[in-house]
Amino acid sequence: DGGITQSPKYLFRKEGQNVTLSCEQNLNHDAMYWYRQDPGQGLRLIYYSQIVNDFQKGDIAEGYSVSREKKESFPLTVTSAQKNPTAFYLCASSRGAGANVLTFGAGSRLTVL
Amino acid sequence: EDQVTQSPEALRLQEGESSSLNCSYTVSGLRGLFWYRQDPGKGPEFLFTLYSAGEEKEKERLKATLTKKESFLHITAPKPEDSATYLCAVQAPATNKLIFGTGTLLAVQP
Repeated sequence: DGGITQSPKYLFRKEGQNVTLSCEQNLNHDAMYWYRQDPGQGLRLIYYSQIVNDFQKGDIAEGYSVSREKKESFPLTVTSAQKNPTAFYLCASSRGAGANVLTFGAGSRLTVL
Repeated sequence: EDQVTQSPEALRLQEGESSSLNCSYTVSGLRGLFWYRQDPGKGPEFLFTLYSAGEEKEKERLKATLTKKESFLHITAPKPEDSATYLCAVQAPATNKLIFGTGTLLAVQP
């Protein structure tokens, strides 16, 4: 079955460490997204990519980095510059730019100790 | 400023007790309104897209409606398995990005 796979499901990190969250899709979707979800707040867009080797900052990109070397993969690195990284991270994809029926992965929960 | 507000924040229903969730929005030139369901610890699952005032979509016990200022998600005779957080999002016309509300946490008790 087609879908989006995020890993790891749970991740613990010490302050000052960079961590990378994996996102792989086999839906043949062109566009991929990273969102952050915090209690009491709506999903906030971190980065998005509409095509391989290209990506754009979302609303809260500071302290994060991404790459899009393959159509299927869109990893997110949470750097030590991110002031409050503890959150639930969601990866999503859609057929193309402007096509906003998103398919989401199961999420990755990052906790900074 | 484009904005999405969902109410109530939380809703507790008895099994079979019908109700509605509200999503009000302020956006110039709506390009689409989306409803998602999210179970605890999981990613959101797409339910409906609505594009124009007066449009309605149905799926099992759920019915979504749209006016020029808000959308309602009507739940008829809910069951415990309908318990989840329901998210509403609108597509911003200038950027095509989705703006999400904070969600309504629905609990249906047997």
